[in-house]
Amino acid sequence: GAVVSQHPSRVICKSGTSVKIECRSLDFQATTMFWYRQFPKQSLMLMATSNEGSKATYEQGVEKDKFLINHASLTLSTLTVTSAHPEDSSFYICSALRTGRGEQFFGPGTRLTVL
Amino acid sequence: DQQVKQNSPSLSVQEGRISILNCDYTNSMFDYFLWYKKYPAEGPTFLISISSIKDKNEDGRFTVFLNKSAKHLSLHIVPSQPGDSAVYFCAASAQFSGGGADGLTFGKGTHLIIQP
Repeated sequence: GAVVSQHPSRVICKSGTSVKIECRSLDFQATTMFWYRQFPKQSLMLMATSNEGSKATYEQGVEKDKFLINHASLTLSTLTVTSAHPEDSSFYICSALRTGRGEQFFGPGTRLTVL
Repeated sequence: DQQVKQNSPSLSVQEGRISILNCDYTNSMFDYFLWYKKYPAEGPTFLISISSIKDKNEDGRFTVFLNKSAKHLSLHIVPSQPGDSAVYFCAASAQFSGGGADGLTFGKGTHLIIQP
């Protein structure tokens, strides 16, 4: 159990377009999901905390108008990178916190390349 | 300011021997610590965790030790196997003191290489 999926696994887009990434907990409910970003050979950096039915909480330095997060159900959170630029190219990973448990389960990640 | 530090970018260990990966933290609010294994272009895979009320947790070949006074934890893998070659991330959260739903703060990772 505790499977988290992400879609798409990789996306290439033109500068200025918007990209939506989905994160789903497949076999458990997740009141809270997290979005991380990893640049090459760097650590995973927490971008925002997504809570079902309420606004996301963003980490310092992360633009909430650029990275739109929607957590509409207990199994789905989406991250939309608006007006993407080459510097947004990164590996985006979500995780889901199983309700009532302390462990975060990670998705497989989405490789975003902005041309 | 890096709150979770893994000072060894890489570690090479012979197959069958013990691998010891180290992690230091600075935030005294952290009360829950985790180790993840990660391959390139994949999400992290949870290995083992420990809460601050314990000083040791063991799961098969993996043991995590926590020294709260030194703000140090380590992951021991014994015996090391070729399939253990990956990047290992130490992560921490203020889970219990922070209300139970906290994002993780990751170290930069240690690339473990198991040599046959």
